[in-house]
Amino acid sequence: EVQLQQSGPELEKPGASVKISCKASGYSFTGYNMNWVKQSNGKSLEWIGNIDPYYGGTSYNQKFKGKATLTVDKSSSTAYMQLKSLTSEDSAVYYCARWVGNWGFDYWGQGTTLTVSS
Amino acid sequence: DIQMTQSPASLSASVGETVTITCRASENIYSYLAWYQQKQGKSPQLLVYNAKTLAEGVPSRFSGSGSGTQFSLKINSLQPEDFGSYYCQHHYGTPYTFGGGTKLEIK
Repeated sequence: EVQLQQSGPELEKPGASVKISCKASGYSFTGYNMNWVKQSNGKSLEWIGNIDPYYGGTSYNQKFKGKATLTVDKSSSTAYMQLKSLTSEDSAVYYCARWVGNWGFDYWGQGTTLTVSS
Repeated sequence: DIQMTQSPASLSASVGETVTITCRASENIYSYLAWYQQKQGKSPQLLVYNAKTLAEGVPSRFSGSGSGTQFSLKINSLQPEDFGSYYCQHHYGTPYTFGGGTKLEIK
C-alpha cells in the first residue's frame, strides 16, 4: 500500500526556518517525482515544486524560489522541504504528493500544519 | 503561468441531484487536466486525469469532459459522501496551477 507519512505540526517564529519530512512507503521511491503543495486557510492549492528522487533534480514555482528547498534521502525513502525566513504568509498546510506522469497527483501525504507566530 | 478559473465557487445541492462544475484555462492545455476532491480536514484525492479518465476506484457517477480551455466535472445522482471541495489542476508544464475550488454543500 502506497503511503506518504508527513512530519507533525510545526510552530515557528518569524524569521526562522523549518524542515518538513515526507516518508514514502509501498512503492519504489526513486520511480516517481515528489511534489509539494501549499494550502492556506482552507483555500486553494499552490504548487511549490518537485524533485526527482533518483537524480535529485528539482523544479520550483518561481513564487517559491528562495523560500523552499527540496531534498531527498534515498536511503530512507524520505523527501524534505525546508522553508526559510518564515513570515505569517507561510502559515498553511503543506502536502507532499506523488506525481504520476501525465496523470496527476495520485497519492498525498496527510498534510503538515505550519504556524508562524511570535 | 496558466490561470485556472473554476465556477461556481460554491454550490448547494440535494442527494440524488446532478451537478456540473466547470473549469477554464487561460490558454490551451489540450487534455492535461486533473480533478481532485477534498473533504474537510483531509488531503485531496485524485478523481479524474487527462480530462476524462476516472482514477482507480472512483465511482462511475463522476465524469469529466472537455479539452483545450474548457472543462467540466459532472456528478450524477449525488451521494452524501460526494460533498466537499473540488479542484481542477492543469499539468501542461510547470508551474502546475489549480483552480480556486468549488465547495459542494448539502441543501
